Amino acid sequence: NAGVTQTPKFRVLKTGQSMTLLCAQDMNHEYMYWYRQDPGMGLRLIHYSVGEGTTAKGEVPDGYNVSRLKKQNFLLGLESAAPSQTSVYFCASSPLPDRGEKLFFGSGTQLSVL
Amino acid sequence: GQNIDQPTEMTATEGAIVQINCTYQTSGFNGLFWYQQHAGEAPTFLSYNVLDGLEEKGRFSSFLSRSKGYSYLLLKELQMKDSASYLCVGLDSNYQLIWGAGTKLIIKP
Repeated sequence: NAGVTQTPKFRVLKTGQSMTLLCAQDMNHEYMYWYRQDPGMGLRLIHYSVGEGTTAKGEVPDGYNVSRLKKQNFLLGLESAAPSQTSVYFCASSPLPDRGEKLFFGSGTQLSVL
Repeated sequence: GQNIDQPTEMTATEGAIVQINCTYQTSGFNGLFWYQQHAGEAPTFLSYNVLDGLEEKGRFSSFLSRSKGYSYLLLKELQMKDSASYLCVGLDSNYQLIWGAGTKLIIKP
């Protein structure tokens, strides 16, 4: 059982380049999330999805786009990378959160933008 | 506004007990989580409290007081592998997660 798979694990971009991070879960979870984590800070929500075909903005959505064409996949795109987007990115999934369901996380992506 | 406050860093000795405190302000309340995060890894779930009181799971216990907006995580018989960051996370009335910045726990032999 793979759980949440996140690719790639590491990436270095030049300013202005684009890339897509892929998150896949095999637990049939409705909710999926993209977070970023910077040193000394908690996780900040970028975008999230409450089901196939739906997406919503989180706390820090600017500069990012997402898509959830299939229930098991949640893609995070950076159209024109900036040094401020250097961070560790985590994808997560969960069942409906109304009973305090825990999040299942991917292993993270270390992104550096030069 | 919504806010989670917890100490930035704590130090404890192997074999001892440590209590990590967390105060929260959320728009409504649907529970509080604690996650553990080792350096370079993703967070992993430790506990969830929605009712007042103490929940015990082995060496780890979590306490909640809804009237005081307060929670703590208690770690007993500390082991070196407990060196990690501990994240306090509130769940608001819209089931949005509010993450604290985390408490880095350093265990010394």
